[in-house]
Parts: sequence; C-alpha cells; structure tokens
Amino acid sequence: TQLLEQSPQFLSIQEGENLTVYCNSSSVFSSLQWYRQEPGEGPVLLVTVVTGGEVKKLKRLTFQFGDARKDSSLHITAAQPGDTGLYLCAGGSKIIFGSGTRLSIRP
Amino acid sequence: GAVVSQHPSRVICKSGTSVKIECRSLDFQATTMFWYRQFPKQSLMLMATSNEGSKATYEQGVEKDKFLINHASLTLSTLTVTSAHPEDSSFYICSARDPRTGHEQYFGPGTRLTVT
Repeated sequence: TQLLEQSPQFLSIQEGENLTVYCNSSSVFSSLQWYRQEPGEGPVLLVTVVTGGEVKKLKRLTFQFGDARKDSSLHITAAQPGDTGLYLCAGGSKIIFGSGTRLSIRP
Repeated sequence: GAVVSQHPSRVICKSGTSVKIECRSLDFQATTMFWYRQFPKQSLMLMATSNEGSKATYEQGVEKDKFLINHASLTLSTLTVTSAHPEDSSFYICSARDPRTGHEQYFGPGTRLTVT
C-alpha cells in the first residue's frame, strides 16, 4: 500500500515569512500532485510533478520532486494571508492523499 | 481545466434513511470516477473507484452494501448512502480523471452530509 506522509501537520507563521511543506513516502510514484483545499470545498490542483528532480514554480510557490520520486516539497516565499488553507500531496493510479498540512498565515 | 460538479452541495437526512449524491463530469467523458470521504480536520480518504458499466471497486473497510455506487454513463456516477447513521456525517467528494490530460484528476466541490 502506498502511503504519503506530510509534515508539518500544522503551521502558523507571520505574513512575509517563508515556509516549506514536505511529502514523503517509502514508495516510488510516477507522479505526485499538490492540491490546496479551502473549507467546504473540493481540493484544487496546483501542480503535477512527473520527473525525478523536477522543479516547478507557480508564482511564489516552488514545487520539487525528489530524485528518487519518493518525496516532494512545496516552498512558499513571502507567505500571504491568502495562502491560508489545507495543502495536500497526492499520487498513485487511484489518487491517494497525504495526511495534509494545515497552513495559517497571520497578517 | 475540466469541470466536475456534485449535487446536492449540502443534505440533511434522518437516521435510517438513504441519500443519493451525484457526481458529473461536465465537459469530458470519464470512464473512471473516484469517491472520497473527509472528516473534519482530516485528509481525504478514498472510498471506492467507480467504473462505467461495471461494478465499483471498494477500498478496504468500506461497506459496499452501505455505500452503493452506480456509474451509469460516462458523465455520471452516484453514491447512495443507505440506512444512514450519524457517524456517516461527513464531506463526500468525487473526482474524475480527464482522459485528455492523462494522470490529472479533477475534483468536485463536495457534498456535506449531516445525519440527524
């Protein structure tokens, strides 16, 4: 069974600070996705990483896929209150979600 | 991007009754859809894979006789929670894989079920 562990589970930081969220597994994934979910809504796809070592940028968000394709990270630069939400990594042929990171940015 | 809708967005039902939730892919045909359940402050847990024209595949621990899944067409899957109990109260989310983009899945907005 493929499992995805995210860390940290919760993160509360001040506006303007940087942060990194990690997604780790003992299994190899052909691709990993990152989603963001607002309360009462479905998750929204942010990015898909496919190649080991790949780095993708989405404005202030930088996503990296580990060389061995077992882990990924999400780095946010200069966090803003609008970044608040639940961040989920996911992967597998039937999308399995990580445990989630609940991010809160204080103004 | 692809659009997936769910109906209803919220439903309240009495214990012992059944409730049906619909999931539609609006601008593409999906041979496979997925149903997830999410409890407060937790991640999404896969319940079952819905296959058009065949039986759904359920994850371990999910009762197939309680959560009935029907994938009658390439754009519609339904989840029926039978004999609902308060512990079935949750946020139910469906997703569909867009064959035009390969591995990416698009999620519906979710259905909040409250069983009283």
